[in-house]
Amino acid sequence: GESVGLHLPTLSVQEGDNSIINCAYSNSASDYFIWYKQESGKGPQFIIDIRSNMDKRQGQRVTVLLNKTVKHLSLQIAATQPGDSAVYFCAENMDQGGKLIFGQGTELSVKP
Amino acid sequence: DGGITQSPKYLFRKEGQNVTLSCEQNLNHDAMYWYRQDPGQGLRLIYYSQIVNDFQKGDIAEGYSVSREKKESFPLTVTSAQKNPTAFYLCASSMGRGSYEQYFGPGTRLTVT
Repeated sequence: GESVGLHLPTLSVQEGDNSIINCAYSNSASDYFIWYKQESGKGPQFIIDIRSNMDKRQGQRVTVLLNKTVKHLSLQIAATQPGDSAVYFCAENMDQGGKLIFGQGTELSVKP
Repeated sequence: DGGITQSPKYLFRKEGQNVTLSCEQNLNHDAMYWYRQDPGQGLRLIYYSQIVNDFQKGDIAEGYSVSREKKESFPLTVTSAQKNPTAFYLCASSMGRGSYEQYFGPGTRLTVT
């Protein structure tokens, strides 16, 4: 079946470095993508989203890149801080019903 | 404060008992969702509701039931038919009608022994 997947289950970076978290999707008809951050024992928090008619979107310290040619999504975090340590999920919307399909997640660990 | 709440935070039950998890939102959102999360895993959709008095099965609905009698509330019942109910349960809501961003509650950790 079609699903959203992540290339790396864990990522360790030095504080101050930039982080890049990758996500592959398989449904070329998906028109909306979203990144969530989940801290241990808590619900996911919205980070940033992007629609399929865009290839880049920037937020505060975060950038999402969408490459529809290779069906790849990435989240870039600038100047990574210890507070960024969490699990990051990408998700895609595949139909008009509003359902999101989540990837497995990448655990980001920031070393001081 | 606007938001989505789940209660309780931790829930313990004996095997064979049904248990109902609460989810309430005051965001005036039309759509609500229930997900299950197992350790080190992503979120799997159990049930969702796009409007009051209507709901659809997600990917893992077996052993669960829901109701949507009010816009603000979407309780989830974990029945004794659910073979492996111990998990972290997350409720979410969205505006619906083409708006896909989902807002999540803090979750309920259910332990069945």
